[in-house]
Amino acid sequence: DAGVTQSPTHLIKTRGQQVTLRCSPISGHKSVSWYQQVLGQGPQFIFQYYEKEERGRGNFPDRFSARQFPNYSSELNVNALLLGDSALYLCASSFGARVETQYFGPGTRLLVL
Amino acid sequence: GIQVEQSPPDLILQEGANSTLRCNFSDSVNNLQWFHQNPWGQLINLFYIPSGTKQNGRLSATTVATERYSLLYISSSQTTDSGVYFCAVFKAAGNKLTFGGGTRVLVKP
Repeated sequence: DAGVTQSPTHLIKTRGQQVTLRCSPISGHKSVSWYQQVLGQGPQFIFQYYEKEERGRGNFPDRFSARQFPNYSSELNVNALLLGDSALYLCASSFGARVETQYFGPGTRLLVL
Repeated sequence: GIQVEQSPPDLILQEGANSTLRCNFSDSVNNLQWFHQNPWGQLINLFYIPSGTKQNGRLSATTVATERYSLLYISSSQTTDSGVYFCAVFKAAGNKLTFGGGTRVLVKP
């Protein structure tokens, strides 16, 4: 079975631009969570979606938004990019709403110049 | 929110050495996980360990929930053990997974 997949793997943007990151969960998983991992730090929770509804939101500005589609895949959007948005963005999926048991994707590395 | 602190921040080992990584957390939790992040960024779950001791090959982990800490033991380290080790705690109230800052391990041949 395929694991969590994310695209693209790498991305370079300039300040002020917008970016969309994509995630496909493990087949049968209905919950997707997004994390931001800045270099040298642990992942920080951004959003959780379960059954296409937002179930949790971390301490991130409104420039960050996400959605989940009927097939349970998800997109993370970041507007008005700042240099500080440069990070590894991780997606994780789980079967139920509890994020206790999550499987992580390989991440998207975003560099903002 | 809950605070998760890991120590040491960096660890350099000679191949074959043993080591202990520590994770302290500031509140009661429902579960605790240890992850290994490889150089390409992939997070791999090593243990789910809310309490007690578990072993998997050369790795073992112990969580003392009443004292709010967990330990990860690496025995007979190999170069493939290099990477960053994270602990993450889960609280059902809030349904949130909170990560520590990680311990960066380099195993030299």
